[in-house]
Amino acid sequence: RKEVEQDPGPFNVPEGATVAFNCTYSNSASQSFFWYRQDCRKEPKLLMSVYSSGNEDGRFTAQLNRASQYISLLIRDSKLSDSATYLCVVNPAASGTYKYIFGTGTRLKVLA
Amino acid sequence: NAGVTQTPKFRVLKTGQSMTLLCAQDMNHEYMYWYRQDPGMGLRLIHYSVGEGTTAKGEVPDGYNVSRLKKQNFLLGLESAAPSQTSVYFCASSYRPRGLRPAGQPQHFGDGTRLSIL
Repeated sequence: RKEVEQDPGPFNVPEGATVAFNCTYSNSASQSFFWYRQDCRKEPKLLMSVYSSGNEDGRFTAQLNRASQYISLLIRDSKLSDSATYLCVVNPAASGTYKYIFGTGTRLKVLA
Repeated sequence: NAGVTQTPKFRVLKTGQSMTLLCAQDMNHEYMYWYRQDPGMGLRLIHYSVGEGTTAKGEVPDGYNVSRLKKQNFLLGLESAAPSQTSVYFCASSYRPRGLRPAGQPQHFGDGTRLSIL
């Protein structure tokens, strides 16, 4: 099992739709979780950090389920500008705080 | 506030040439990282540093060297470039967890260096 797994997609959704991605992780000791968005051939940009049960920022909500070891990202009222690849990143505390495990990303296409 | 700055943005090298990629951050972050990203693959850690004067190997260190002589700068060197090192290179930095900050601070990325080796 990979340390961090994401469905690569693509998820094709119409404008205004709600879409959710899941990210599963294998290390149950992980303490910190992050969602980044990455546009084609550009740098990852931090979307939100999750340290407890979840986090919300406008149209974006992240939920952490420690029992099932996954973190989800919900995007409400999708915009064309939300089209990007969404990276899940896990910091497995047991391995030292410097280490970050990246998923390969979930690609989202929002269609007009 | 510039954040993380990488230079150069693009470079084309011939096999066997050497070059240095520079990463500079102005956020007083203790940790710095170099990643490479190839099509269809996730970010892979090349080398990292947890403080001035210290460096360590990551997941794919072969063919690369690094130095961190100053806290704000992290240099990545290719001594003898090979076509397999054609990639997009990202530098990142983050705070070291301490005190009230929880473990695992988010990383902040530079906008990348696109390197082609012919």
